[in-house]
Amino acid sequence: NAGVTQTPKFQVLKTGQSMTLQCAQDMNHNSMYWYRQDPGMGLRLIYYSASEGTTDKGEVPNGYNVSRLNKREFSLRLESAAPSQTSVYFCASESAPGAGNTIYFGEGSWLTVV
Amino acid sequence: GNSVTQMEGPVTLSEEAFLTINCTYTATGYPSLFWYVQYPGEGLQLLLKATKADDKGSNKGFEATYRKETTSFHLEKGSVQVSDSAVYFCALSDRGAQKLVFGQGTRLTINP
Repeated sequence: NAGVTQTPKFQVLKTGQSMTLQCAQDMNHNSMYWYRQDPGMGLRLIYYSASEGTTDKGEVPNGYNVSRLNKREFSLRLESAAPSQTSVYFCASESAPGAGNTIYFGEGSWLTVV
Repeated sequence: GNSVTQMEGPVTLSEEAFLTINCTYTATGYPSLFWYVQYPGEGLQLLLKATKADDKGSNKGFEATYRKETTSFHLEKGSVQVSDSAVYFCALSDRGAQKLVFGQGTRLTINP
């Protein structure tokens, strides 16, 4: 059971380049999320998709766009990468928004912008 | 707003020592509480959770009790192993991952 799969695992970009992080889940979950993890700050929510066909901004959406391609896939795009976007990115999913639900995370994508 | 404060790290212990990582929270309403673990080079894994006051979550020898009176969810383990070396995150949510708030993480190193 693959769970939540993210690609790529590592990427180095030059300032101004664009790229897309891919995420897929095989648990038939309705809700999917993108977080970034920075040292000493825990994880912060970038964008989420509560259900197929909807997307909403999280705490730190500036500089990012997302696409909920279908129920399985949720991609994060950096249109013009900046050094401040150097971070570890995590995709997550849950069956539906709910206080006690288990949230499943991918293994992370390490992005460096030079 | 909701917030989580974790014991600052890093924490270094010897194998078989007793572990406590403190976590306190501020929240309106009645959130669920979680501990996540991140092993080197890996994503976050749910370690345990508690969804209401006085619930005890447990897994892999770790335990945490949801204490509403002290707004705490401290993580404990009676005898740690080298394989427990990781970063531990306390988190809360009152509405799933949309409102999942993390502490800053505590890096734990266990020496043989």
